[in-house]
Amino acid sequence: DAGVIQSPRHEVTEMGQEVTLRCKPISGHNSLFWYRQTMMRGLELLIYFNNNVPIDDSGMPEDRFSAKMPNASFSTLKIQPSEPRDSAVYFCASSQGTGVLAESTDTQYFGPGTRLTVL
Amino acid sequence: QQPVQSPQAVILREGEDAVINCSSSKALYSVHWYRQKHGEAPVFLMILLKGGEQKGHEKISASFNEKKQQSSLYLTASQLSYSGTYFCGTVDRDDKIIFGKGTRLHILP
Repeated sequence: DAGVIQSPRHEVTEMGQEVTLRCKPISGHNSLFWYRQTMMRGLELLIYFNNNVPIDDSGMPEDRFSAKMPNASFSTLKIQPSEPRDSAVYFCASSQGTGVLAESTDTQYFGPGTRLTVL
Repeated sequence: QQPVQSPQAVILREGEDAVINCSSSKALYSVHWYRQKHGEAPVFLMILLKGGEQKGHEKISASFNEKKQQSSLYLTASQLSYSGTYFCGTVDRDDKIIFGKGTRLHILP
């Protein structure tokens, strides 16, 4: 299995531009998670999907961020317009189950991440 | 509220033991543990559900005391490959996972 695939691996853009990050979860996995990691704030859950349906997007920082999962094998995280404070590593992870997090023992498999720099 | 991890950093010699603690001010339903090496993605270690169970594989194990809202990760006879940053992620009644700032572990040969 190829594992979770993310693209691009690195993205450098200018403030105000639209940025789209892509994720392909492991085949057969039913949950998908988007995380952001910075030195200041650490690792944060932005949003997660069960069976392509967004379950909790309370971690999305503001309306400039949006995420979609049109099918079981693809998800996007879009930032429009981007700002320098959005610079971070964005990870996508997937797991097999679809239960609530509080009861889940499913392993989350992380992708390699996208390092985003907004100038 | 972000869980508090302690210590923030620890240096060990190969073969020594380490304990990393994670405590929260909120009632917890589960605790996740991950290890991350520099420049890489986090790697899952284990999840503990409330019930005070202890889990482990090989020389890495963890416990979860839901009454104290604490979890501890135990690294026994540490190996060079154990070096990295360890994160705990706590899940509360709101079904949100919040990660601690991490504990940096460095193993010397």
